[in-house]
Amino acid sequence: NAGVMQNPRHLVRRRGQEARLRCSPMKGHSHVYWYRQLPEEGLKFMVYLQKENIIDESGMPKERFSAEFPKEGPSILRIQQVVRGDSAAYFCASSQVTQGATEAFFGQGTRLTVV
Amino acid sequence: GESVGLHLPTLSVQEGDNSIINCAYSNSASDYFIWYKQESGKGPQFIIDIRSNMDKRQGQRVTVLLNKTVKHLSLQIAATQPGDSAVYFCAENGGNYGQNFVFGPGTRLSVLP
Repeated sequence: NAGVMQNPRHLVRRRGQEARLRCSPMKGHSHVYWYRQLPEEGLKFMVYLQKENIIDESGMPKERFSAEFPKEGPSILRIQQVVRGDSAAYFCASSQVTQGATEAFFGQGTRLTVV
Repeated sequence: GESVGLHLPTLSVQEGDNSIINCAYSNSASDYFIWYKQESGKGPQFIIDIRSNMDKRQGQRVTVLLNKTVKHLSLQIAATQPGDSAVYFCAENGGNYGQNFVFGPGTRLSVLP
């Protein structure tokens, strides 16, 4: 049973370009979360998605950032017109929600560098 | 001993000693907590979790203690090994089942030979 798969592992973009980060959740998991991590800091929540639905995007910047989790295929975090401040590690986690508390498993992350 | 570095607090322990990593959580509504271990260049790895109806839970070499009165969580690692060197994060769910987790700032554990 493969874990959460993220690609690419490393992504370099020039300022103004678009970045697309992909996440395939664990088998059987229909809930995906995206987090952002700056060096030497904790993870900050960005967005929570279920298949074809955005449940909570309270942590995502209103402009330039968008996320989707289509019926088929991976979840995509899209950053348009990247700026240097977008450089960070972006982690995806997935979970199988139960009626109680939820255990989330993380991928290895995509390290975005904006030059 | 424990010290505060430029960003992450660091805990240095001798190999074979026990480690205790502390975390103060912020939301009294949180009822589910997870400890994650993150090695350099990798994603967070689940270690152990605890629900608010418990005050202690044990795993293999790890124990998590929860004190809801003072909103404090700790992770105890027995017989610390070099492979335990990593950054450790506590995460709380803010009372939202299946919603996002709020992560603490992290503690870097350094195991000395």
